[in-house]
Amino acid sequence: ETGVTQSPTHLIKTRGQQVTLRCSSQSGHNTVSWYQQALGQGPQFIFQYYREEENGRGNFPPRFSGLQFPNYSSELNVNALELDDSALYLCASSPTGGQGINTIYFGEGSWLTVV
Amino acid sequence: QKEVEQDPGPLSVPEGAIVSLNCTYSNSAFQYFMWYRQYSRKGPELLMYTYSSGNKEDGRFTAQVDKSSKYISLFIRDSQPSDSATYLCAMSYTNAGKSTFGDGTTLTVKP
Repeated sequence: ETGVTQSPTHLIKTRGQQVTLRCSSQSGHNTVSWYQQALGQGPQFIFQYYREEENGRGNFPPRFSGLQFPNYSSELNVNALELDDSALYLCASSPTGGQGINTIYFGEGSWLTVV
Repeated sequence: QKEVEQDPGPLSVPEGAIVSLNCTYSNSAFQYFMWYRQYSRKGPELLMYTYSSGNKEDGRFTAQVDKSSKYISLFIRDSQPSDSATYLCAMSYTNAGKSTFGDGTTLTVKP
């Protein structure tokens, strides 16, 4: 039990649609990172939020956007879905200030299929 | 070319075998080196991490980092069927996340 909850667990969307994925972190975990894991690949860093501000971004287009809320929850939004967006989306949360690699916890992920 | 390359596997070994999992990387700025275990495409679970070069041991698991060669390894001694999973190496500049992962090696330990 990591204390990181993601929803929905599975969803199917049509190309061109928009999707919102949610992550709920432990209390006090005000750093959250989102990753995309395509089939047969490792997780790829999308972006990180710290205290509701974007704090670093990987090689993903602007149609991937995020929000972080004061209640330790966050969202990943993807606009204009493409078939290649089909993947497992993972969020990882940690306490303030980089207290250590072993304080970073992953959720179980949201499976997105784009048809 | 990817920043982190991981031996792809899959790897199948008998119970009790010693397993060696390996990754190479190209970015010398990486300071933290992690090994995660992932079951059935669920969230990765941290096994071990090392800061900079050196070895670290935790029970049956040993992590090695050689920064001069840009090469990291995870050794599993006395492997068990419960060790069957996908193992992901990951690296980062800081201890605050933003990790770069390898593509994973799927290990099967047969009873």
